[in-house]
Amino acid sequence: DSGVTQTPKHLITATGQRVTLRCSPRSGDLSVYWYQQSLDQGLQFLIQYYNGEERAKGNILERFSAQQFPDLHSELNLSSLELGDSALYFCASSAGRQGFGGNIQYFGAGTRLSVL
Amino acid sequence: AQSVSQHNHHVILSEAASLELGCNYSYGGTVNLFWYVQYPGQHLQLLLKYFSGDPLVKGIKGFEAEFIKSKFSFNLRKPSVQWSDTAEYFCAVNVMNRDDKIIFGKGTRLHILP
Repeated sequence: DSGVTQTPKHLITATGQRVTLRCSPRSGDLSVYWYQQSLDQGLQFLIQYYNGEERAKGNILERFSAQQFPDLHSELNLSSLELGDSALYFCASSAGRQGFGGNIQYFGAGTRLSVL
Repeated sequence: AQSVSQHNHHVILSEAASLELGCNYSYGGTVNLFWYVQYPGQHLQLLLKYFSGDPLVKGIKGFEAEFIKSKFSFNLRKPSVQWSDTAEYFCAVNVMNRDDKIIFGKGTRLHILP
C-alpha cells in the first residue's frame, strides 16, 4: 500500500458526460500529480499541484482540469468526455519541495475510466 | 523535447535468465532517473533511483541499474529473474531543479516463463 488513495476504482460513463476523480495523497506529502495511462500513449503526465497551486503542466486537454484543496486532496475533472478518454488515471504524491525534482513519487491504484 | 525511450516493448524470458532492459533519454542536462515497476493489477512502485554519486544503483528485489552519462542511458539489470518478476517496467526521467515533472517511457512488458 503506497498510502495514496484514489476513488472511485472504476467509472463507466457515456460520451459528453463529466466525471470527477479524487485523490488523497500520503500523509505529509504536499505535491500531487495526475497521469493518464493508455495502451497507445503509455503513461502521460497531466498536471502537478504543490500545496494548492498548479506547479507543472503536461499533456492535459482543455476539457480536463484539476485542483488541490486546503486539506491537500486533489480532484481531476474530465468533461465533454470522448471515447478516446477511456484510460487508467493515476494520481501520485511526493513530499515535493517546490522546484526540486528529486522527489520520489508514490502512486495510487488508479481509476479506470470507461467512456461508452 | 525531453523524451524517454525504452527499446523493448515486450520481453519473454525463462526463470533464472539474466535480464537487461534498455532506457535512453534525450535531455542533455542534469537529470534524476527512475525505474518503476507495475505488477499485474497493482499500482506503480519505485524499483530504484539515481540522483547523484555512484552510477551503479541497487534497488529492491535484486534489481540494479547503471547510469552512463555519455550514452544518455540508464539500463535496468537483474542477474537471475524469477516468475514473480513478471510485470511492466517503466523508465522515467526528471530534469533536475526545473520542476517535479517526470517523463515516463512507454514501458516494457516482461513475461517470465516458469
